Parts: sequence; C-alpha cells; structure tokens
Amino acid sequence: NAGVTQTPKFQVLKTGQSMTLQCAQDMNHNSMYWYRQDPGMGLRLIYYSASEGTTDKGEVPNGYNVSRLNKREFSLRLESAAPSQTSVYFCASNLGGYEQYFGPGTRLTVT
Amino acid sequence: DQQVKQNSPSLSVQEGRISILNCDYTNSMFDYFLWYKKYPAEGPTFLISISSIKDKNEDGRFTVFLNKSAKHLSLHIVPSQPGDSAVYFCAASQAGTALIFGKGTTLSVSS
Repeated sequence: NAGVTQTPKFQVLKTGQSMTLQCAQDMNHNSMYWYRQDPGMGLRLIYYSASEGTTDKGEVPNGYNVSRLNKREFSLRLESAAPSQTSVYFCASNLGGYEQYFGPGTRLTVT
Repeated sequence: DQQVKQNSPSLSVQEGRISILNCDYTNSMFDYFLWYKKYPAEGPTFLISISSIKDKNEDGRFTVFLNKSAKHLSLHIVPSQPGDSAVYFCAASQAGTALIFGKGTTLSVSS
C-alpha cells in the first residue's frame, strides 16, 4: 500500500497562475482533507470531504477550490495563485474517525 | 483565537532523559486528542491519542496524560532518543469533526 500520495512534490508559480494539487489514497478511506502548513502556524484545514460527493470548507478556504473526483482522489485547485499561498500543502485521509494519515506534502512557492 | 496551544516552540533534552511536551486547549467540547510527529520534508505521522474519558494512555516509550479540569495534556517520552528529534503537534477533535492542530514544538534530543 502506498498510503496517501501527493503530486507534485515541489512547484513554483508566478502570481496569477493556476494549478491543481493532486492527492490519492489506497486505504479505502471515506474522508479526505487538505491542510496548509506555514512557519510557526501549525497545520490549518483548507477543505475536507467527509465522503465521496461531499466537500466542506475548513478554516482557511479562500482562494482554493476542491474536487472529490472519486473515493480515492481529492484535488486542490488554486485558480489565481498569490504570494500568500506560498506554503507546504498536506493531504490526509481517514475512515471517518479521528486518526488521519498524511501524505508527504507539496511545497509551493508563488513569486 | 487559538483553540489548541503549544506554548513552547522548542525543547532540548539529553539522550536518556525524559521529554515532556505540553498542550493546552480552550474548547471543553473536545473529546479526543492526538499527538503527531513530523520530520523535515515528510508528512506528519500519528504517534498516540487519548479519549476524553481517560486520563492516561501509554504506548511503549510514549505516554499521554490528560487533565480535563485544567484543559491540559502532555506527552512524555522516556527515555528520549536522538531519533525522537522532530516537530510534535498536538491536535484535538470534537465528535469526529476535523482536527484542530497546535503550532508545534520542536524537540531536539542530543546524544
């Protein structure tokens, strides 16, 4: 089992460009999450999907959109990237309980 | 306002000694608490958890203590090892909803 995988690992964007961060899990988990981690800020929830076909906003959703493509895949889209979105992005999943399993992260820089 | 606080950004301990990481929370409705460990350039990994109906949970060298009246939990690592050097995040959840993370404590264990 690969667990939670994320692509790409690194990305540099210019202000105004768009991109999609991909996440997939092979653990048959129902729920999936997107977080961002900034220095000194811990992990903050952007969006989550409690089950296939549903998505909900987290603490910091502005500037992002998500798609739960199927049970395995949950993507995060930046329509018009801004320097404030420079961060490390983590995808996570779980069966709907408490313990979440995290991917390795995508390091995004917006210049 | 931060609901989960880790007031010590860093902690340095000698190998073989005890490491104590602290976490405070403000929401009395939290019913489950977790500790995650994160190495550089990796995603967070689950370490240990505790339900609000308990006051202690042990797993090998790791013990989590919960003091509900003080809204405080702590993670004890005994004995500390150099491989324990990482960032430790405290997280809390209410009724299985999304995790709320603290800002993290960087533990350095010297040999």
